[in-house]
Amino acid sequence: EVQLLESGGGLLQPGGSLRLSCAASGFTFSSYAMNWVRQAPGKGLEWVSVISGSGFSTYYADSVKGRFTISRDNSKNTLYLQMSTLRAEDTAVYYCAKEGIGGGDCDFDYWGQGALVTVTS
Amino acid sequence: QSVLTQPPSVSAAPGQKVTISCSGSSSNIGNNYVSWYQCLPGTAPKLLIYDNYERPSGIPDRFSGSQSGTSATLGITGLQTGDEADYYCGTWDSSLSAVVFGGGTKLTVL
Repeated sequence: EVQLLESGGGLLQPGGSLRLSCAASGFTFSSYAMNWVRQAPGKGLEWVSVISGSGFSTYYADSVKGRFTISRDNSKNTLYLQMSTLRAEDTAVYYCAKEGIGGGDCDFDYWGQGALVTVTS
Repeated sequence: QSVLTQPPSVSAAPGQKVTISCSGSSSNIGNNYVSWYQCLPGTAPKLLIYDNYERPSGIPDRFSGSQSGTSATLGITGLQTGDEADYYCGTWDSSLSAVVFGGGTKLTVL
């Protein structure tokens, strides 16, 4: 059974830093690209970043480029999102999501339960 | 302002059919596969449709997807009260080198 378990969320002040983790199990982690998607309170889905299975290729949303870094440790089956220079508008539930079997880049077949990040002064 | 445009809300009676549109451009829907997600309050999004019209295992055939040009459509037949949720389309945007989502459509089953 595929499982994705996020951790590391919390409450912090603007300008702060935080690292989210997503522990994966039930599939060959290194064979799949992994994504971070967030949802601010009362708002829609916003894609944050993707990393290839090997970890060599990454892409970011313009809203987080230069502030967030996605990475993975395939030996630990774990995905990370290092967030820095956080802003109030980064407040959201952050989901890790596994790439699906389709031919597109937006078919996320499994999602974690979400980690809440709250940025407030 | 989302790159993909969805109607904010749709509604229909139980048992009826509803369609949700998703409009984009040649850099996204026009040249990349579309996925659809169902979001229920307090739960992670659920993949309903991928590659424009494919259904993951376990998704009933009441849910269907189509794509034409720079638009995509999600169809739901035999509406049930449990289908009340927010629905999002998403795809890759080749110009942005990013995944883009629609703004979401709230489905009300009257």
